[in-house]
Amino acid sequence: KNQVEQSPQSLIILEGKNCTLQCNYTVSPFSNLRWYKQDTGRGPVSLTIMTFSENTKSNGRYTATLDADTKQSSLHITASQLSDSASYICVVYVMDSNYQLIWGAGTKLIIKP
Amino acid sequence: NAGVTQTPKFRILKIGQSMTLQCAQDMNHNYMYWYRQDPGMGLKLIYYSVGAGITDKGEVPNGYNVSRSTTEDFPLRLELAAPSQTSVYFCASSYLQLTSGGTDTQYFGPGTRLTVL
Repeated sequence: KNQVEQSPQSLIILEGKNCTLQCNYTVSPFSNLRWYKQDTGRGPVSLTIMTFSENTKSNGRYTATLDADTKQSSLHITASQLSDSASYICVVYVMDSNYQLIWGAGTKLIIKP
Repeated sequence: NAGVTQTPKFRILKIGQSMTLQCAQDMNHNYMYWYRQDPGMGLKLIYYSVGAGITDKGEVPNGYNVSRSTTEDFPLRLELAAPSQTSVYFCASSYLQLTSGGTDTQYFGPGTRLTVL
């Protein structure tokens, strides 16, 4: 069964600290993986997308990694800011499908001053 | 550009009532999608459309209907509302089709929070 699991469910860190969010997937055949940021009361916004051949991709203070062999991805946030408080969602795209995006439940990140 | 807009932002329905959730985009995207997001769960696709006049079911279409008469608009109709339809509904659009490895960006609206009592 195609699944995407994220950990931790929630995380609280102090402003300025770094953190890493995890995403494990059991999707096959894999096409690509995307990380979204969802602010409270808003729709998701795409942060980065990674294809099978990419190991690392950065978007400002956000760095995503992908290990297609172990089917794991991580999102690292550097020097966190209060505006980083949000849910971060991992989404895996299935290849050769009419339409199949497998959405994780997200990690709720809270940045405290 | 306003992007993807949704109305209303909030709505409370009684069991058995019907309503239409409105969605519009001004980016000239052919592809549009409706999702629902339940607490602690990943987004679930309800319906999607690949262009005006063409719609298809997603993972959880029961209890919903859609139509796509124009490129810009993609309303979602709830008939005979049930408590199980209490959720946050998101509309999204993309320029390219997100199938078979599509890497295009999906743009989401702000959502409609629906409660059925």
